[in-house]
Amino acid sequence: GDSVTQKEGLVTLTEGLPVMLNCTYQTIYSNAFLFWYVHYLNESPRLLLKSSTDNKRTEHQGFHATLHKSSSSFHLQKSSAQLSDSALYYCALSANTGYQNFYFGKGTSLTVIP
Amino acid sequence: GGIITQTPKFLIGQEGQKLTLKCQQNFNHDTMYWYRQDSGKGLRLIYYSITENDLQKGDLSEGYDASREKKSSFSLTVTSAQKNEMAVFLCASSIQENTGQLYFGEGSKLTVL
Repeated sequence: GDSVTQKEGLVTLTEGLPVMLNCTYQTIYSNAFLFWYVHYLNESPRLLLKSSTDNKRTEHQGFHATLHKSSSSFHLQKSSAQLSDSALYYCALSANTGYQNFYFGKGTSLTVIP
Repeated sequence: GGIITQTPKFLIGQEGQKLTLKCQQNFNHDTMYWYRQDSGKGLRLIYYSITENDLQKGDLSEGYDASREKKSSFSLTVTSAQKNEMAVFLCASSIQENTGQLYFGEGSKLTVL
């Protein structure tokens, strides 16, 4: 079945260092959409990035990701971590099977320290 | 823009008790979802509904019931709360197209004494 793997459960980074959160996925569908959601403490999870186009870089709020269908990956990156980036990040897959369903990874908790 | 409202934000129950969480959305979205969030386990789907009066079980449906009597609302019932259980339940909605994203509520935190 469809699934998403996020290797890192906890990531701690020093402010200013680059961020890379890993996401790989498995699906039988060719029209899959990949998403990154961010969940800040005491807020609702919200969409950060999404893509369905192979090898095209998607950017938002300083973060970027490129969907690589050949390696089934959609890693989240940022050139320089900020304290305010501390949050829980979820990678998700949506494959339209007549209705929309989403498969989430286990999440990566990012903590940025001074 | 729209909003998803979950009530209550905090719910404390006793072992064996039946507990109900409510979710309202004003996006006019077709599909609504209930997820359970546990640390290290990600978001796991409990129930979803693609239209009024429709109910579909997710991977974690055992021990839960759901109800979608109106397009705008989706309720989740814990049929028998488990002692020492603690979890956050997230309601979400989306349009019924592949390009749609999920919109989430702020969550309801359950504690069972």
